[in-house]
Amino acid sequence: ETGVTQTPRHLVMGMTNKKSLKCEQHLGHNAMYWYKQSAKKPLELMFVYSLEERVENNSVPSRFSPECPNSSHLFLHLHTLQPEDSALYLCASSQDVTQTGTSHYGYTFGSGTRLTVV
Amino acid sequence: GESVGLHLPTLSVQEGDNSIINCAYSNSASDYFIWYKQESGKGPQFIIDIRSNMDKRQGQRVTVLLNKTVKHLSLQIAATQPGDSAVYFCAECFSGGYNKLIFGAGTRLAVHP
Repeated sequence: ETGVTQTPRHLVMGMTNKKSLKCEQHLGHNAMYWYKQSAKKPLELMFVYSLEERVENNSVPSRFSPECPNSSHLFLHLHTLQPEDSALYLCASSQDVTQTGTSHYGYTFGSGTRLTVV
Repeated sequence: GESVGLHLPTLSVQEGDNSIINCAYSNSASDYFIWYKQESGKGPQFIIDIRSNMDKRQGQRVTVLLNKTVKHLSLQIAATQPGDSAVYFCAECFSGGYNKLIFGAGTRLAVHP
């Protein structure tokens, strides 16, 4: 257990379904991230939240909708996905250096949600 | 967490040998670099990091070398063990505001007994 928990671990959904991925961090970090890891493009940054504000959205289709209700929780809401969206979705957290003065820049990742769109 | 189907470069080594995994980064303004290890069924795990004002840093059985002139990073693993078999990613960090990590494509390390 890394301190970042993702649920569910596996998800199979149809193209017309709506589902949500959940991420929770127990590390006291104030920045959270969604990454997509697929067979074609490893570790693509999707969204960044710093202090619960979305600070980056990397041209992600609107069928992916992130939500960060507080600094410990991050969601990725999914609707009308395509088969090519099948991938491993990874959540990570970190401590925002400029806010706290800490020196460790690295992310702590969860184990991911393996998503299959059928 | 496995990159199933991804055509990654693979480094095959014998158990006990030293391994060297290489990475080229893109942005000369990056000020921090990290190596991650991803085992099957898990997310990437932090191994070692290095700041841009350093050219070498050592950890337990691992050493990271940074050559800013050619924008090259390497990870050396001493006395490689079967448990080191995984996909290894380098990442460069653009600091300021928040920690934005950009990951390389990854290298698969296969350790043979």
